[in-house]
Amino acid sequence: EAQVTQNPRYLITVTGKKLTVTCSQNMNHEYMSWYRQDPGLGLRQIYYSMNVEVTDKGDVPEGYKVSRKEKRNFPLILESPSPNQTSLYFCASSFLTSGDSYEQYFGPGTRLTVT
Amino acid sequence: LAKTTQPISMDSYEGQEVNITCSHNNIATNDYITWYQQFPSQGPRFIIQGYKTKVTNEVASLFIPADRKSSTLSLPRVSLSDTAVYYCLVGEGRANFNKFYFGSGTKLNVKP
Repeated sequence: EAQVTQNPRYLITVTGKKLTVTCSQNMNHEYMSWYRQDPGLGLRQIYYSMNVEVTDKGDVPEGYKVSRKEKRNFPLILESPSPNQTSLYFCASSFLTSGDSYEQYFGPGTRLTVT
Repeated sequence: LAKTTQPISMDSYEGQEVNITCSHNNIATNDYITWYQQFPSQGPRFIIQGYKTKVTNEVASLFIPADRKSSTLSLPRVSLSDTAVYYCLVGEGRANFNKFYFGSGTKLNVKP
């Protein structure tokens, strides 16, 4: 089954304790992306990756890191989490359609609470 | 990067046709218009995408006027299960691969 998986689905942690949220896709998509979703703010892009070893900042990259060492994986790293990073996080992967546009597939989400 | 404006919420009844309009005055030549659906605590799901005129698939239609400064998602005969947040997204073309902007979305509430 074609899917994007994220782990963990739920995480409660404390300020300053490094954490990694994993994301994996089995569709051989080149493009992957991380979003955070907060009430009233919709989805905001954190980082994206066009391919292996190619990453760039989205709209809200501060406090986050990413890496793309393999095509299927795109982990999100919080080196020193803070309470304002409490949010619902989504990973997405996309492919270029025959119409020359992208269609995104989203993971189930990771709900992170930083105390 | 083109931003979008949508109504915050809409109400409808089962069996009705629902039209949600999105404004994107600064749309660029290479931008596509895409709509996603999101249920609570789930990731967004692709509904439909278009560049100009009209696109129809098994779940929705997308109407885009000639100036492309707005678009309308049409959901025929909605049911209770269509209650969700709908996002209009501009970009996603090959020349604009770098950033996808979702906006706040429209919360559709379908009543029995």
